[in-house]
Amino acid sequence: DVKVTQSSRYLVKRTGEKVFLECVQDMDHENMFWYRQDPGLGLRLIYFSYDVKMKEKGDIPEGYSVSREKKERFSLILESASTNQTSMYLCASSPPEENTEAFFGQGTRLTVV
Amino acid sequence: AQSVTQPDIHITVSEGASLELRCNYSYGATPYLFWYVQSPGQGLQLLLKYFSGDTLVQGIKGFEAEFKRSQSSFNLRKPSVHWSDAAEYFCAVGPRAGNNRKLIWGLGTSLAVNP
Repeated sequence: DVKVTQSSRYLVKRTGEKVFLECVQDMDHENMFWYRQDPGLGLRLIYFSYDVKMKEKGDIPEGYSVSREKKERFSLILESASTNQTSMYLCASSPPEENTEAFFGQGTRLTVV
Repeated sequence: AQSVTQPDIHITVSEGASLELRCNYSYGATPYLFWYVQSPGQGLQLLLKYFSGDTLVQGIKGFEAEFKRSQSSFNLRKPSVHWSDAAEYFCAVGPRAGNNRKLIWGLGTSLAVNP
């Protein structure tokens, strides 16, 4: 089975802190994604990576950056956390081919105080 | 504009009753279609997907969905709901020549199941 693992289920950080959310997948997928999920807003794509060191901005990249130094690992970075970044963050991966679905991690609930 | 609409924000059904969750989309061409489920505090799990062929697709946990091109719909159904089906359900569509990069998500339907 494909496994996408997010390093933390719950995080509490202070305003202004630099925050790292880590995601690892074990299926050698080229594509990896970071979403945030908020009530009433659904899933919104923050960043997408289609290969090592390659990334594309999603729909809401402001306030975030990403790093993909190894194929299996995709990190989301909040340079200076703010309270409006309190949210559920979901990582996903998928193969590059068509006719495939995305596989999701269990999510990280981030609270910025 | 491309969009996915799940008209029902919340649905409550009794255990053993049938279920239908609606999904309508607006898209330039026939897309790929997905239904995902999210249990409380968890990530998303794929229930089923439609790419081509038979428009009635079977998924996990006894779910099925029917693609109706003329109605731009991809409704999810289950004949008899179990208490463990209480969760959030998301419909998503994506381009045929894509890599999940441009998935468009519905806002979800929250399902509650009464004993």
